[in-house]
Amino acid sequence: ETGVTQTPRHLVMGMTNKKSLKCEQHLGHNAMYWYKQSAKKPLELMFVYSLEERVENNSVPSRFSPECPNSSHLFLHLHTLQPEDSALYLCASSQDPGGSGNTIYFGEGSWLTVV
Amino acid sequence: KQEVTQIPAALSVPEGENLVLNCSFTDSAIYNLQWFRQDPGKGLTSLLLIQSSQREQTSGRLNASLDKSSGRSTLYIAASQPGDSATYLCAGRSGYALNFGKGTSLLVTP
Repeated sequence: ETGVTQTPRHLVMGMTNKKSLKCEQHLGHNAMYWYKQSAKKPLELMFVYSLEERVENNSVPSRFSPECPNSSHLFLHLHTLQPEDSALYLCASSQDPGGSGNTIYFGEGSWLTVV
Repeated sequence: KQEVTQIPAALSVPEGENLVLNCSFTDSAIYNLQWFRQDPGKGLTSLLLIQSSQREQTSGRLNASLDKSSGRSTLYIAASQPGDSATYLCAGRSGYALNFGKGTSLLVTP
């Protein structure tokens, strides 16, 4: 069982669709993250959750809605997206959201294409 | 906001060579500096983490250094192999966020 699992791996959706990305971590960590990776750009932090509480929202449009029902699961709900939202969405976890000694572990990502 | 720059953007070396990847960051008040590897179409794999109080970390053929005062980190890869071909990303942690560079794309040719 890999540490951080993301589903689906690939998703194609229309601009009027509603879909969700799912992330599950099996590492007993307290913090979970969503990152976006677009071509030619550095990874961008979207959201941070610590013990199911959102502690950072990095100016992300409201068409992206995160949900963290427990410390092991994280969702990203998608609604009325734009073609420029097509990217690789990466979920990650770490023991705590801060702290100098915490390695952050990433999932394999969900490739999203908006048509 | 922390800005992270990686040089070079791409690098091609023959198998067996030692090589150095460079990373610079603007905010010296980082908590730690992490190096990651990303294979095409895949997620990120953590290679090394250097805490702000440390100067370097080693894992096998990899050695990473951190100089906070100059805002620089290097990743040294010894005796490179074709299996080392990937994109290497560095990221500085400030608060909750890891701020990433754009990466160095490495190709090791047989």
